[in-house]
This record gives sequence, structure tokens and C-alpha cells, in this order.
Amino acid sequence: EIVLTQSPGSLSLSPGDRATLSCRASQSVGTSLVWLQHRPGQAPRLLIFDATDRFTGVPARFSGSGSGTDFTLTISSLEPEDLGIYYCHQRAKWPRTFGQGTKIEIK
Amino acid sequence: VQLVDSGGDLARPGGSLRLSCTASGFTFNKYSMNWVRLIPGKGLEWVAYIGRSSTDIFYSDSVKGRFTVSRDNAKKSLWLQMDRLRAADTGTYYCATAAFDFWGPGTPVVVSS
Repeated sequence: EIVLTQSPGSLSLSPGDRATLSCRASQSVGTSLVWLQHRPGQAPRLLIFDATDRFTGVPARFSGSGSGTDFTLTISSLEPEDLGIYYCHQRAKWPRTFGQGTKIEIK
Repeated sequence: VQLVDSGGDLARPGGSLRLSCTASGFTFNKYSMNWVRLIPGKGLEWVAYIGRSSTDIFYSDSVKGRFTVSRDNAKKSLWLQMDRLRAADTGTYYCATAAFDFWGPGTPVVVSS
């Protein structure tokens, strides 16, 4: 199965800071990668699909880049509501897999 | 657009549960569906997939042979039959569209003696 490794494991940042989250795949997934946000007590939320496309209603401060095995989610200027755990997920091959998540804490 | 998952409960190891997911506000038969679970301390784990016409079905290795996913498009419903439950199956279970654009609120499953 494809293993997705996310780094860092956690980030503690202030509002207005830039956050850069990494996701590395054990083999190429092309651009079949999504990013999800999971806030405490809520269902996960789709942010980015096909590696770079922002889902409807997602603020422009969220952007995705990469292809193949290396992907990045960037939050250009953190807002307090951005706290939570961010997961990457590959849809290229079965079984589908998730990264272990990056937790963002807002100072 | 709404997905409502239900059926989570406390179950004994070796026991069974049946989760349900009911859709409204979108054309259910045009969407492939997933079950995903949040394992405490571990994160999200993909569990199962079912295609629009139930022709294509896939499972994670951890549940293959124990869980069965099914759907009824006329009833706009999705199910996950969970048999031979283990403590490691404890978590919150979500139904979601295959593209993850719509999610249910989640239903908790606890497997404990």
C-alpha cells in the first residue's frame, strides 16, 4: 500500500503566520491527492483536491502544490479558526490511505 | 446536502454492529461512497468504498472479511455491516462521498468487554 508521511507532526503558530505542511508518498500518486481539515468535534472538511484545486468555499489562503511523491499545503496567513489536524489522502491506488496528520495549534 | 450516519454503539469483541448513512439534498445514485473512521490517537483511516451501482467494492486490509458495505440507491442509503468486531475497531465512523466533498457527522463505535 502507499504510505503517506506528513511533516511536521505539529505546528504552533500565531495568527497571521504562514504554515507549510508536507506530505510525501512512498510511490507516485500523480496528482491524485487531497488535503482535509479536521477540527475538534466536527466532520473532516475537504480543502484541496487533485493536489492543487481548492474546493468550493475554501478560503484563498489555502493552497496546494506538488505532484508525484511530494506535496505541500500552504496556509498563507493563519486565522484562529484554522486550528485542527490536517490530513493528506491518496486516491491513486487501492487501498486508499491517509497520512498520519499534522496538528496546527494557534498561539 | 446532508449525510447522516447512525448506528454506532458499544459492542463486545466478536460482536456485530450495523451502521447506516442516509443522504438528502443531492443525487445519491451519482456518487460513489466511502466509510472512513477516526481511530483515537491514530488519525483517519479509510475503511471501505462502494461504487455508484455497487459493482465496485473495496476494503482496507484491516476490515476485509469482517465488514460489508452495501447501498440502496432508491432509499438513498448506505450501510456498513461490522462483524467479528475487535477493540481496534473503536473509533468514530463517517460516511462520505468518494471525493470527500460531503461528510456525515460521524457515529461512535466502542468495542470493549
